[in-house]
Amino acid sequence: KAGVTQTPRYLIKTRGQQVTLSCSPISGHRSVSWYQQTPGQGLQFLFEYFSETQRNKGNFPGRFSGRQFSNSRSEMNVSTLELGDSALYLCASSYSGGAYEQYFGPGTRLTVT
Amino acid sequence: QQPVQSPQAVILREGEDAVINCSSSKALYSVHWYRQKHGEAPVFLMILLKGGEQKGHEKISASFNEKKQQSSLYLTASQLSYSGTYFCGTEEQGAQKLVFGQGTRLTINP
Repeated sequence: KAGVTQTPRYLIKTRGQQVTLSCSPISGHRSVSWYQQTPGQGLQFLFEYFSETQRNKGNFPGRFSGRQFSNSRSEMNVSTLELGDSALYLCASSYSGGAYEQYFGPGTRLTVT
Repeated sequence: QQPVQSPQAVILREGEDAVINCSSSKALYSVHWYRQKHGEAPVFLMILLKGGEQKGHEKISASFNEKKQQSSLYLTASQLSYSGTYFCGTEEQGAQKLVFGQGTRLTINP
């Protein structure tokens, strides 16, 4: 079956702009989690959506938001970009979250200048 | 709270064994292990659940000590393809989310 897809793969934005990233999970998976990966901080949990509802949220400012659609596709939005937002953003899909294995997408590499 | 992994990095020769540890201060329901190769996404290796159930896809083994909230990943007779960064992700009871450790970089040399 098709894997997790993320678009775009690379993005360059300027400070103050906003950005929207997209994630299409594996068919049948209802949970989508988002992570920020940086060399210094590792994999940091942003939020998790299940059946269109945000079920969990990490310790990120309100500039980071997300949503999930009825087909389980998910988007995350970052407003008022800062230099420190430069990172690899990974989404992972899972059948139901929690104790089910997560399948990661290839990520979106965001560079903020 | 982020689990602590040890060691942070290890270098082995092909055929040697490796153990990677993951420790949490929280009561855990499950521990997940993933491997990430440079420039690629993390790939699922194994889940260990409270109560002893273990689910995995590769010929590796792991343990989960529920009393100590510690897990260890065992890589025996390592192959060059085992190189990468290994992450443990921990789930607290009812949390429905994973918190990942900082990763352990494993390098296998011929």
